[in-house]
Amino acid sequence: LAKTTQPISMDSYEGQEVNITCSHNNIATNDYITWYQQFPSQGPRFIIQGYKTKVTNEVASLFIPADRKSSTLSLPRVSLSDTAVYYCLVGEGSGGYNKLIFGAGTRLAVHP
Amino acid sequence: DTGVSQDPRHKITKRGQNVTFRCDPISEHNRLYWYRQTLGQGPEFLTYFQNEAQLEKSRLLSDRFSAERPKGSFSTLEIQRTEQGDSAMYLCASSLVGAGGSNEQFFGPGTRLTVL
Repeated sequence: LAKTTQPISMDSYEGQEVNITCSHNNIATNDYITWYQQFPSQGPRFIIQGYKTKVTNEVASLFIPADRKSSTLSLPRVSLSDTAVYYCLVGEGSGGYNKLIFGAGTRLAVHP
Repeated sequence: DTGVSQDPRHKITKRGQNVTFRCDPISEHNRLYWYRQTLGQGPEFLTYFQNEAQLEKSRLLSDRFSAERPKGSFSTLEIQRTEQGDSAMYLCASSLVGAGGSNEQFFGPGTRLTVL
């Protein structure tokens, strides 16, 4: 599975847009890009998944350039409740059929 | 609540004791996964089942660890002769693969194990 690299931590303020970029230089043709969110003492929660270009849902947007070697998770107008760890994962097939390979993630702290 | 449930939520044990955790997946899900997470790290894959068959085990799963899913529904993870290094959050996830499923893995709240 492709290795991912993302910032260890980020800080933001309420109401701002937050963009978290993930690098996955060795992504394979069949790989999808998936982002999970994890709050303290809870299991990770699926946020969004994409293969190419742009995907948007009610929570976030995912931007994937043509070469697919990176991706950017965009959280619009964050609130304090968006403080969490965000994981970028790359795996074969939609959702990562077999196992999810998590890195250390990006710790996002949203301040008042 | 129709999500993934895990029991117990917290377990404190002494080194050398055996512990068993239970996971109840979302009812129609055919895949069940176990992960382990230590402080400050992302979850690490341990093993997964397709129905009752255990299809993959990580090298992290030493001989002291055993997982079962006897009827293709709930699963148990047992750790024998616990060591302090086993202290972690043990996460269970389930997914529906095929049959129109999204393959998305839904995680439970985890069981936090502390080995004294």
